[in-house]
Amino acid sequence: SQQGEEDPQALSIQEGENATMNCSYKTSINNLQWYRQNSGRGLVHLILIRSNEREKHSGRLRVTLDTSKKSSSLLITASRAADTASYFCATAYTGGFKTIFGAGTRLFVKA
Amino acid sequence: DTEVTQTPKHLVMGMTNKKSLKCEQHMGHRAMYWYKQKAKKPPELMFVYSYEKLSINESVPSRFSPECPNSSLLNLHLHALQPEDSALYLCASSTRFSGGASVNTDTQYFGPGTRLTVL
Repeated sequence: SQQGEEDPQALSIQEGENATMNCSYKTSINNLQWYRQNSGRGLVHLILIRSNEREKHSGRLRVTLDTSKKSSSLLITASRAADTASYFCATAYTGGFKTIFGAGTRLFVKA
Repeated sequence: DTEVTQTPKHLVMGMTNKKSLKCEQHMGHRAMYWYKQKAKKPPELMFVYSYEKLSINESVPSRFSPECPNSSLLNLHLHALQPEDSALYLCASSTRFSGGASVNTDTQYFGPGTRLTVL
């Protein structure tokens, strides 16, 4: 499967703590994106990192990409209860024609 | 307008019914997508339309029939569905779709989804 694998599958933290989610993939990519999905709702795009980039920031979000290890991580700093959601990585593979979503990490932030 | 809208929000149908899901965007995007998502699973691509033409059909059963009447609208016609087709159906759009040798790198904007239950 070309699907990205994410870990952990589920993560429960206290408000104010940092949350780190990891994504691994199998073949060369052009870019990797992270999306958030609140329960039963549509996905919201968070951030895109290209294969020639190593790190990107957006507000409380920090994404890293290690193409040698075929992995990416999403760090949410100073988490809030409103960050409770599922987070998916999505990869656009070199020579491919569609975006493939990973299995997702379910994050629960306790107030 | 930076929104993708989907109607209805919820749909319950029997296996002999015919129904349609509707998706609309007014962002000028020329690529539109249908995804199916089961509980606690990632979205799975069903169809991609690029410039109102069907570009990708991910071997979806013929009981699902997509239609793109114009650049702003995307429909999914449903007929003779099975209970296992119950899922959240998501529509998305992006600026463009670079299929074939190129790779789609454009951000996809998702609608809120239609929760479908087949009895």
